[in-house]
Amino acid sequence: DQQVKQNSPSLSVQEGRISILNCDYTNSMFDYFLWYKKYPAEGPTFLISISSIKDKNEDGRFTVFLNKSAKHLSLHIVPSQPGDSAVYFCAASAPGQGAQKLVFGQGTRLTINP
Amino acid sequence: DAGITQSPRHKVTETGTPVTLRCHQTENHRYMYWYRQDPGHGLRLIHYSYGVKDTDKGEVSDGYSVSRSKTEDFLLTLESATSSQTSVYFCAISDVYEQYFGPGTRLTVT
Repeated sequence: DQQVKQNSPSLSVQEGRISILNCDYTNSMFDYFLWYKKYPAEGPTFLISISSIKDKNEDGRFTVFLNKSAKHLSLHIVPSQPGDSAVYFCAASAPGQGAQKLVFGQGTRLTINP
Repeated sequence: DAGITQSPRHKVTETGTPVTLRCHQTENHRYMYWYRQDPGHGLRLIHYSYGVKDTDKGEVSDGYSVSRSKTEDFLLTLESATSSQTSVYFCAISDVYEQYFGPGTRLTVT
């Protein structure tokens, strides 16, 4: 049973426009959410995160929105740039003691077209 | 970038042979993790460590063991490799919330 789902395997967006990547989760115990970006042959890199006590977090061109009632989060990238082409993973964790056990979605491949 | 290295970066091995992957960090982070990445599954947690000699199982731990004898090193061992363990393996480290990943090891079991 996939607790974190990214239902769009791929997304194509024109350079300069907004990219919106979506993620749904089923476990209501999740209280922290993260987005990672991954280029081929490299490890994932942390992008932005949000705690369940917030509904929005912004960092430069990247904004994450959290809708707890819908168990849905989204990542907005604006304006999109060619270097944003990568696979994006959302991840979630539940409260616990110590180590954070992340549950990842399947990933969405974002392609920014010039 | 967080100081995380993985070795080897690529390995081809035969079914039934033991394999050990190494993760080394220079950040002195308390927590270390091993994930595998497979198409359609994202990243899945294999094992994690919350201190020297303190480890626990993740979501897909069958067929894997780990050891952490020093803060900076976390070893993942496949006791008897199977073709289903062909994957890309990532190590990660963290102190609080955000995890930082190594470059990965591509393992092929023939």
